[in-house]
Amino acid sequence: AQKVTQAQTEISVVEKEDVTLDCVYETRDTTYYLFWYKQPPSGELVFLIRRNSFDEQNEISGRYSWNFQKSTSSFNFTITASQVVDSAVYFCALRSRDDKIIFGKGTRLHILP
Amino acid sequence: KAGVTQTPRYLIKTRGQQVTLSCSPISGHRSVSWYQQTPGQGLQFLFEYFSETQRNKGNFPGRFSGRQFSNSRSEMNVSTLELGDSALYLCASSPDRHNSPLHFGNGTRLTVT
Repeated sequence: AQKVTQAQTEISVVEKEDVTLDCVYETRDTTYYLFWYKQPPSGELVFLIRRNSFDEQNEISGRYSWNFQKSTSSFNFTITASQVVDSAVYFCALRSRDDKIIFGKGTRLHILP
Repeated sequence: KAGVTQTPRYLIKTRGQQVTLSCSPISGHRSVSWYQQTPGQGLQFLFEYFSETQRNKGNFPGRFSGRQFSNSRSEMNVSTLELGDSALYLCASSPDRHNSPLHFGNGTRLTVT
Protein backbone atom coordinates (compact mmCIF):
# COMPACT_ATOMS: atom_id res chain seq x y z
CA ALA A 1 0.00 0.00 0.00
CA GLN A 2 1.11 3.52 -0.64
CA LYS A 3 1.32 5.99 2.16
CA VAL A 4 2.63 9.45 2.92
CA THR A 5 3.34 10.42 6.52
CA GLN A 6 3.86 13.95 7.72
CA ALA A 7 4.43 13.39 11.39
CA GLN A 8 4.53 17.08 12.28
CA THR A 9 0.96 18.27 12.55
CA GLU A 10 1.79 21.82 13.50
CA ILE A 11 5.02 23.79 13.84
CA SER A 12 5.61 27.31 15.12
CA VAL A 13 8.87 29.16 14.64
CA VAL A 14 9.95 32.74 15.00
CA GLU A 15 10.57 34.68 11.81
CA LYS A 16 14.06 34.24 10.33
CA GLU A 17 14.53 30.82 11.89
CA ASP A 18 15.08 27.81 9.66
CA VAL A 19 12.45 25.09 9.69
CA THR A 20 12.33 21.59 8.21
CA LEU A 21 9.12 19.80 7.34
CA ASP A 22 9.38 16.02 7.29
CA CYS A 23 7.82 13.67 4.77
CA VAL A 24 8.15 9.89 4.78
CA TYR A 25 6.57 7.79 2.06
CA GLU A 26 5.87 4.14 1.36
CA THR A 27 5.52 2.55 -2.04
CA ARG A 28 6.51 -0.71 -3.69
CA ASP A 29 6.83 0.93 -7.08
CA THR A 30 10.25 1.71 -8.46
CA THR A 31 8.95 4.62 -10.52
CA TYR A 32 7.13 7.30 -8.61
CA TYR A 33 6.92 11.04 -8.18
CA LEU A 34 6.99 13.13 -5.05
CA PHE A 35 5.53 16.59 -4.71
CA TRP A 36 5.26 19.39 -2.21
CA TYR A 37 2.30 21.77 -2.22
CA LYS A 38 1.61 24.87 -0.15
CA GLN A 39 -1.89 25.84 0.96
CA PRO A 40 -2.01 29.44 2.24
CA PRO A 41 -5.02 30.71 4.19
CA SER A 42 -6.74 31.58 0.91
CA GLY A 43 -7.18 27.83 0.35
CA GLU A 44 -5.68 27.29 -3.10
CA LEU A 45 -2.93 24.67 -3.16
CA VAL A 46 0.20 25.85 -4.91
CA PHE A 47 2.73 23.49 -6.46
CA LEU A 48 6.25 23.87 -5.07
CA ILE A 49 8.36 21.01 -6.41
CA ARG A 50 8.29 17.62 -8.13
CA ARG A 51 10.94 14.96 -7.83
CA ASN A 52 11.00 11.60 -9.61
CA SER A 53 12.30 8.44 -8.02
CA PHE A 54 15.38 8.31 -10.22
CA ASP A 55 16.60 11.75 -9.33
CA GLU A 56 18.03 11.97 -5.85
CA GLN A 57 19.66 15.32 -6.33
CA ASN A 58 18.73 17.84 -3.72
CA GLU A 59 17.24 21.04 -4.95
CA ILE A 60 17.43 24.62 -3.79
CA SER A 61 15.12 27.39 -4.90
CA GLY A 62 15.75 30.63 -3.10
CA ARG A 63 14.98 30.06 0.58
CA TYR A 64 13.48 26.66 -0.12
CA SER A 65 15.42 23.40 -0.33
CA TRP A 66 14.45 19.77 -0.61
CA ASN A 67 16.32 16.68 0.54
CA PHE A 68 15.27 13.45 -1.17
CA GLN A 69 16.71 10.24 0.31
CA LYS A 70 15.51 6.94 -1.12
CA SER A 71 17.40 4.99 1.54
CA THR A 72 15.11 6.40 4.21
CA SER A 73 12.09 7.01 1.96
CA SER A 74 12.08 10.64 2.93
CA PHE A 75 11.54 13.89 1.04
CA ASN A 76 12.07 16.69 3.52
CA PHE A 77 11.51 20.38 2.89
CA THR A 78 13.53 23.14 4.53
CA ILE A 79 12.71 26.84 4.62
CA THR A 80 15.70 29.01 5.43
CA ALA A 81 15.25 32.37 7.10
CA SER A 82 11.50 31.90 7.36
CA GLN A 83 9.11 34.78 6.74
CA VAL A 84 5.55 35.42 7.90
CA VAL A 85 4.35 34.83 4.33
CA ASP A 86 5.56 31.23 4.64
CA SER A 87 2.74 30.55 7.10
CA ALA A 88 0.57 27.92 5.46
CA VAL A 89 -0.25 24.24 5.43
CA TYR A 90 2.29 22.22 3.49
CA PHE A 91 1.43 18.91 1.87
CA CYS A 92 3.73 16.20 0.66
CA ALA A 93 2.28 13.91 -2.03
CA LEU A 94 3.17 10.68 -3.82
CA ARG A 95 2.07 9.61 -7.27
CA SER A 96 3.09 6.29 -8.75
CA ARG A 97 2.21 3.65 -11.25
CA ASP A 98 -1.56 3.58 -10.90
CA ASP A 99 -1.54 7.38 -11.14
CA LYS A 100 -3.50 7.90 -7.98
CA ILE A 101 -2.04 10.67 -5.91
CA ILE A 102 -1.75 10.25 -2.18
CA PHE A 103 -1.37 13.28 0.07
CA GLY A 104 0.03 13.42 3.55
CA LYS A 105 -2.14 14.96 6.26
CA GLY A 106 -0.19 18.21 5.98
CA THR A 107 1.92 20.27 8.35
CA ARG A 108 0.53 23.60 9.50
CA LEU A 109 3.40 26.07 9.75
CA HIS A 110 3.12 29.24 11.80
CA ILE A 111 5.81 31.85 11.35
CA LEU A 112 5.64 34.26 14.26
CA PRO A 113 6.75 37.86 13.74
CA LYS B 1 -3.62 32.26 -18.60
CA ALA B 2 -6.67 31.91 -16.40
CA GLY B 3 -6.33 29.46 -13.52
CA VAL B 4 -8.63 26.65 -12.49
CA THR B 5 -12.09 28.01 -11.77
CA GLN B 6 -14.49 26.32 -9.41
CA THR B 7 -18.09 27.31 -8.89
CA PRO B 8 -19.79 27.95 -6.62
CA ARG B 9 -17.35 28.99 -3.88
CA TYR B 10 -19.80 28.24 -1.08
CA LEU B 11 -22.81 25.98 -0.86
CA ILE B 12 -25.20 25.10 1.92
CA LYS B 13 -27.42 22.06 1.50
CA THR B 14 -29.55 19.88 3.72
CA ARG B 15 -29.25 16.16 4.26
CA GLY B 16 -30.75 14.09 1.50
CA GLN B 17 -30.33 16.72 -1.18
CA GLN B 18 -27.94 16.44 -4.08
CA VAL B 19 -25.35 18.90 -5.29
CA THR B 20 -23.35 19.57 -8.44
CA LEU B 21 -19.99 21.30 -8.38
CA SER B 22 -18.30 22.68 -11.45
CA CYS B 23 -14.67 22.98 -12.48
CA SER B 24 -13.13 24.74 -15.48
CA PRO B 25 -9.52 23.68 -15.99
CA ILE B 26 -6.67 25.74 -17.31
CA SER B 27 -6.90 26.08 -21.07
CA GLY B 28 -5.13 23.17 -22.73
CA HIS B 29 -5.23 20.95 -19.67
CA ARG B 30 -6.94 17.66 -20.37
CA SER B 31 -6.78 15.99 -16.98
CA VAL B 32 -9.10 17.02 -14.18
CA SER B 33 -9.12 15.47 -10.74
CA TRP B 34 -11.22 16.07 -7.64
CA TYR B 35 -10.32 15.97 -3.96
CA GLN B 36 -12.18 16.20 -0.70
CA GLN B 37 -10.47 18.07 2.12
CA THR B 38 -11.64 17.74 5.71
CA PRO B 39 -9.87 18.51 8.99
CA GLY B 40 -10.00 14.88 10.05
CA GLN B 41 -9.14 13.03 6.85
CA GLY B 42 -7.00 15.61 5.09
CA LEU B 43 -6.90 15.62 1.30
CA GLN B 44 -8.48 12.58 -0.27
CA PHE B 45 -8.57 11.72 -3.95
CA LEU B 46 -12.05 11.34 -5.39
CA PHE B 47 -11.56 10.72 -9.09
CA GLU B 48 -9.69 11.72 -12.20
CA TYR B 49 -10.95 12.37 -15.70
CA PHE B 50 -9.00 12.52 -18.91
CA SER B 51 -10.47 12.89 -22.38
CA GLU B 52 -13.98 12.55 -20.97
CA THR B 53 -13.20 9.18 -19.37
CA GLN B 54 -12.83 8.40 -15.70
CA ARG B 55 -9.29 7.06 -15.31
CA ASN B 56 -9.05 6.60 -11.58
CA LYS B 57 -11.35 6.53 -8.61
CA GLY B 58 -10.72 6.89 -4.91
CA ASN B 59 -12.44 5.05 -2.09
CA PHE B 60 -15.70 6.94 -1.96
CA PRO B 61 -19.25 5.61 -2.14
CA GLY B 62 -21.22 5.60 -5.35
CA ARG B 63 -23.06 8.73 -4.22
CA PHE B 64 -20.03 10.59 -5.49
CA SER B 65 -19.85 10.79 -9.26
CA GLY B 66 -18.44 13.01 -11.91
CA ARG B 67 -18.06 13.63 -15.57
CA GLN B 68 -15.93 15.53 -18.00
CA PHE B 69 -17.09 17.32 -21.10
CA SER B 70 -15.42 17.61 -24.48
CA ASN B 71 -14.03 21.04 -23.53
CA SER B 72 -12.38 19.40 -20.46
CA ARG B 73 -14.71 21.13 -18.02
CA SER B 74 -15.78 18.79 -15.26
CA GLU B 75 -18.64 18.43 -12.85
CA MET B 76 -18.88 16.49 -9.65
CA ASN B 77 -22.16 15.31 -8.21
CA VAL B 78 -22.98 14.13 -4.72
CA SER B 79 -26.39 12.59 -4.18
CA THR B 80 -28.26 11.95 -0.94
CA LEU B 81 -26.03 14.28 1.01
CA GLU B 82 -24.87 13.32 4.50
CA LEU B 83 -23.54 15.54 7.26
CA GLY B 84 -20.13 13.96 6.77
CA ASP B 85 -19.97 15.26 3.22
CA SER B 86 -19.33 18.75 4.57
CA ALA B 87 -15.89 19.61 3.24
CA LEU B 88 -13.82 21.70 0.90
CA TYR B 89 -13.93 20.15 -2.54
CA LEU B 90 -10.91 20.92 -4.66
CA CYS B 91 -10.50 20.49 -8.35
CA ALA B 92 -7.12 20.30 -10.06
CA SER B 93 -6.06 20.21 -13.67
CA SER B 94 -2.88 19.17 -15.44
CA PRO B 95 -1.78 18.91 -19.06
CA ASP B 96 -1.52 15.13 -18.93
CA ARG B 97 -2.08 12.22 -16.61
CA HIS B 98 1.23 11.28 -15.24
CA ASN B 99 3.86 13.29 -13.49
CA SER B 100 2.73 16.81 -14.30
CA PRO B 101 2.11 19.05 -11.30
CA LEU B 102 -1.49 19.69 -10.40
CA HIS B 103 -2.94 23.18 -10.62
CA PHE B 104 -5.67 23.64 -8.06
CA GLY B 105 -8.72 25.84 -7.92
CA ASN B 106 -9.86 27.71 -4.83
CA GLY B 107 -12.37 25.01 -4.00
CA THR B 108 -16.04 24.82 -3.17
CA ARG B 109 -16.91 24.85 0.51
CA LEU B 110 -19.92 22.56 0.98
CA THR B 111 -21.83 22.63 4.24
CA VAL B 112 -24.50 20.01 4.84
CA THR B 113 -27.01 20.75 7.60
